[in-house]
Amino acid sequence: DGGITQSPKYLFRKEGQNVTLSCEQNLNHDAMYWYRQDPGQGLRLIYYSQIVNDFQKGDIAEGYSVSREKKESFPLTVTSAQKNPTAFYLCASKRTEPRELFFGEGSRLTVL
Amino acid sequence: AQSVAQPEDQVNVAEGNPLTVKCTYSVSGNPYLFWYVQYPNRGLQFLLKYITGDNLVKGSYGFEAEFNKSQTSFHLKKPSALVSDSALYFCAVRAYSGGSYIPTFGRGTSLIVHP
Repeated sequence: DGGITQSPKYLFRKEGQNVTLSCEQNLNHDAMYWYRQDPGQGLRLIYYSQIVNDFQKGDIAEGYSVSREKKESFPLTVTSAQKNPTAFYLCASKRTEPRELFFGEGSRLTVL
Repeated sequence: AQSVAQPEDQVNVAEGNPLTVKCTYSVSGNPYLFWYVQYPNRGLQFLLKYITGDNLVKGSYGFEAEFNKSQTSFHLKKPSALVSDSALYFCAVRAYSGGSYIPTFGRGTSLIVHP
């Protein structure tokens, strides 16, 4: 079945450590997105990529990095520079406009 | 600036009663509007969208939404609520930013359906 797979589902990290969240899709979608979700704040865009080997910063990119070396994969690294990384992270993808987003099941990161 | 607003943090309704979750938007050009639902600790699921055409859009699980251009609204509705409809609902708009069309979300509305 086609879909988006995020891993790990839950992740714990010590302060000062970098961590990478995986996002893989087999939907043949060109565009991929990373959102951060905090209670009461909705979804905020971190990074997005419209095509392989290209990506742009979203509204809250500071402290995060991404790569898009393959169409299927869009990993997100939460660096030690991110001051408040504890959150629920959602990856999504879609075909060209005007399509809806397909979401993964999310990754919950907790910094200890 | 292009944005979407959900004025209610929470909506409470009794099972069997009609429900409405409100959404207003502000975009330049033609709006592309979406509703998504999220269950606890899960990703978002697409419910319905308005691109063009009939102002009343029907979607999954018996939900529908009415596009009102003069009021810049896209309210989500269901004639008869179920307890299983209890979830977090997000309205989204396609917004133009930095040379690309970016999905922009409201803050979400928690729907609670009481038995």
